[in-house]
Amino acid sequence: EAQVTQNPRYLITVTGKKLTVTCSQNMNHEYMSWYRQDPGLGLRQIYYSMNVEVTDKGDVPEGYKVSRKEKRNFPLILESPSPNQTSLYFCASSFSAQGNEKLFFGSGTQLSVL
Amino acid sequence: SQKIEQNSEALNIQEGKTATLTCNYTNYSPAYLQWYRQDPGRGPVFLLLIRENEKEKRKERLKVTFDTTLKQSLFHITASQPADSATYLCALVPNRDDKIIFGKGTRLHILP
Repeated sequence: EAQVTQNPRYLITVTGKKLTVTCSQNMNHEYMSWYRQDPGLGLRQIYYSMNVEVTDKGDVPEGYKVSRKEKRNFPLILESPSPNQTSLYFCASSFSAQGNEKLFFGSGTQLSVL
Repeated sequence: SQKIEQNSEALNIQEGKTATLTCNYTNYSPAYLQWYRQDPGRGPVFLLLIRENEKEKRKERLKVTFDTTLKQSLFHITASQPADSATYLCALVPNRDDKIIFGKGTRLHILP
């Protein structure tokens, strides 16, 4: 089954404790992206990647890192999480090079930073 | 400024009726427009894509229209069912090489 898999589904952590949210897709998509979704603000793009070893900032990249060492994986790293990073996070992938057609989303990671 | 507007108020529709959701945009001439469904706490799921040279697209009980003069897309669900209750996101792509931009979504409740 074609899917984007994120882990963990829920995560509670404390300020400053480094964490990684994993994302994997099995559709051989070139494009992968991370979004955060907050009430009243909609989906905002954090980082995206159009190919292995190629990553670019989205609209809200501050406080986040990503890497794309393999085509299928695109982890999101929070080196020093802060309470304003409490949010619902989604990984997405697409067959289109620009990631602007038919995005496939993961099930989400609800992060709480205390 | 460039904007995508979806009705922020929830839409309540009686089961069996047609639900119509609106997406308005300003200062864009999008290459195409997409609609996604999102259930609470879950990731959006792609439903339909309509291109600038298409007026209407259908998929089962779903229909999307695209009026580039009015700068508006309408999303219709015919013979609505309680299982159609969700948030529906409109997303547009300004040009073929541009990133996708999401609206904030409209919550739809189908009442039994």
